[in-house]
Amino acid sequence: AQSVTQPDIHITVSEGASLELRCNYSYGATPYLFWYVQSPGQGLQLLLKYFSGDTLVQGIKGFEAEFKRSQSSFNLRKPSVHWSDAAEYFCAVGARVDYKLSFGAGTTVTVRA
Amino acid sequence: DAGVTQSPTHLIKTRGQQVTLRCSPKSGHDTVSWYQQALGQGPQFIFQYYEEEERQRGNFPDRFSGHQFPNYSSELNVNALWLGDSALYLCASSAARAPYEQYFGPGTRLTVT
Repeated sequence: AQSVTQPDIHITVSEGASLELRCNYSYGATPYLFWYVQSPGQGLQLLLKYFSGDTLVQGIKGFEAEFKRSQSSFNLRKPSVHWSDAAEYFCAVGARVDYKLSFGAGTTVTVRA
Repeated sequence: DAGVTQSPTHLIKTRGQQVTLRCSPKSGHDTVSWYQQALGQGPQFIFQYYEEEERQRGNFPDRFSGHQFPNYSSELNVNALWLGDSALYLCASSAARAPYEQYFGPGTRLTVT
């Protein structure tokens, strides 16, 4: 069955430290891949996307993600987090054969001073 | 450039009632998708509208219906509300040439009592 897994429910990181959020998917072919961020009480903001080509993609707010076909993963990274990065992060997948996005359950990021 | 807008922001309804939520897409977009996000979960795809037709539907009962108008705006209707329909309802818009690149509105928080 198709699925999107974010193994970490909650991550706490110190301000200025690096951050990595994991995302694994199970699909028949390489899907379209996305990361979204959601601040409390807000909608979703698109951070970055992967359709094809270079497996390291750059996004907004200093985020990047790497697609690894062999591991069916699309992990999100940021070298140095800011207090404003505290939010919920969602990995999403588009299966290329339909039009919907399927989301993981999300990872909550807390930033401590 | 206005982004995706949704109304109302919050709504409280009683079990058995009906509700209508509204969405205006981002300028230049002609496709609208609706998602339900229960507390602590990732968004779940309800359906997508393009050219005033429902193009794809997720695993939601017929109590959930929608409409798209000639100006591309959209409505989500939910009949016979259940307590379990309490959630954040997100609208996302995209262009037909890039249906996966979806931009989300701030959502409507529906509470069913």
